[in-house]
Amino acid sequence: QKEVEQNSGPLSVPEGAIASLNCTYSDRVSQSFFWYRQYSGKSPELIMSIYSNGDKEDGRFTAQLNKASQYVSLLIRDSQPSDSATYLCAGGGRDQGGKLIFGQGTELSVKP
Amino acid sequence: EAGVAQSPRYKIIEKRQSVAFWCNPISGHATLYWYQQILGQGPKLLIQFQNNGVVDDSQLPKDRFSAERLKGVDSTLKIQPAKLEDSAVYLCASSLSVAGANVLTFGAGSRLTVL
Repeated sequence: QKEVEQNSGPLSVPEGAIASLNCTYSDRVSQSFFWYRQYSGKSPELIMSIYSNGDKEDGRFTAQLNKASQYVSLLIRDSQPSDSATYLCAGGGRDQGGKLIFGQGTELSVKP
Repeated sequence: EAGVAQSPRYKIIEKRQSVAFWCNPISGHATLYWYQQILGQGPKLLIQFQNNGVVDDSQLPKDRFSAERLKGVDSTLKIQPAKLEDSAVYLCASSLSVAGANVLTFGAGSRLTVL
């Protein structure tokens, strides 16, 4: 099993819909998780971090962490064409001194 | 606050040639990372520094890749000799501390094409 795994997509949603992005992780990854957004040809930028079980909301974004099932998700409400990008899930390794382990990314396309 | 600076932004070389990338982290960030991102994949850590010491270089291909951070500030990543499969974007990132999982801030990246 990969340490952090995502569906590569592409995921296509209509404008205004909810986009749901999912990520699973292995025992080697700690309980700290991050969602980064990466536009084509650009570097990753942090959207949200989540450390505790449950939901964390920030504007149109909600991150959800379920430690028992070892998955983390990102919901984007009222999706906009400007949200079209690749979303990277990353987890902090248990014994890794702060480094982040990234999934392969999910490409999201929001159609007007 | 100035971001993470990287250069060059683009580099095209032939296989077996050498190349070097430079990174200057955010001021005050003790931890510096070099990630390799191949097209269509997520970033993969090559090496992590805490000040000028190496924390993790387990995935650095040491027969051809080297990195240094001599004064605990800026860093250089070198590839010699390059192979076709080294074509990727090399991302430098920095963070404030090592304990726990850190918030990483990335530079714009250096895109390498090996012909």
